[in-house]
Amino acid sequence: AQSVAQPEDQVNVAEGNPLTVKCTYSVSGNPYLFWYVQYPNRGLQFLLKYITGDNLVKGSYGFEAEFNKSQTSFHLKKPSALVSDSALYFCAVRDRARSGNTPLVFGKGTRLSVIA
Amino acid sequence: DTAVSQTPKYLVTQMGNDKSIKCEQNLGHDTMYWYKQDSKKFLKIMFSYNNKELIINETVPNRFSPKSPDKAHLNLHINSLELGDSAVYFCASSQAEAGPAFFGQGTRLTVV
Repeated sequence: AQSVAQPEDQVNVAEGNPLTVKCTYSVSGNPYLFWYVQYPNRGLQFLLKYITGDNLVKGSYGFEAEFNKSQTSFHLKKPSALVSDSALYFCAVRDRARSGNTPLVFGKGTRLSVIA
Repeated sequence: DTAVSQTPKYLVTQMGNDKSIKCEQNLGHDTMYWYKQDSKKFLKIMFSYNNKELIINETVPNRFSPKSPDKAHLNLHINSLELGDSAVYFCASSQAEAGPAFFGQGTRLTVV
């Protein structure tokens, strides 16, 4: 079975400091990995994905994520946080071993608060 | 242009009523989904449709019935609404196996 763990319910960071939001996954095969952001009363917005190739992927709004196969992790990072980055962040996985366009499985979300 | 659109955005109704939520995507995707987000913000897949055919039904009560008239639309009908059905329901679509899902803005259902 596929699963995603986001071990932190809340991450607080000062504006201008680097941020990291953690994600680990479990799949039977190799993963497709995704990060989404949700602002209050809004839908989920796609930030970035890892499919194959370079372990460091870059996405929207200056975010990047590093795939680490040995640690089964896909942590989200940003070198310099903005107050406007404050939101709920979700990590998601799809198992390549399952054929077809199967639904994403999401972590429980991490609330990021960037303090001015 | 809105890629995935849901209506209505808010829905307040009494227990026992029947209601529908509509979803349309203009991305040309083959696969559409319904997710439920509970009060703790946990997202759980409910249904998955591929080219109008149901491919996943994740232990959802049979009071919930999805309908896909064509691959651009996936509506959700709920019979005999219960208090526990209160949540935000998200429609999404995706194309390729490696592609992300794109989400609608959500429908906040409140059952009173």
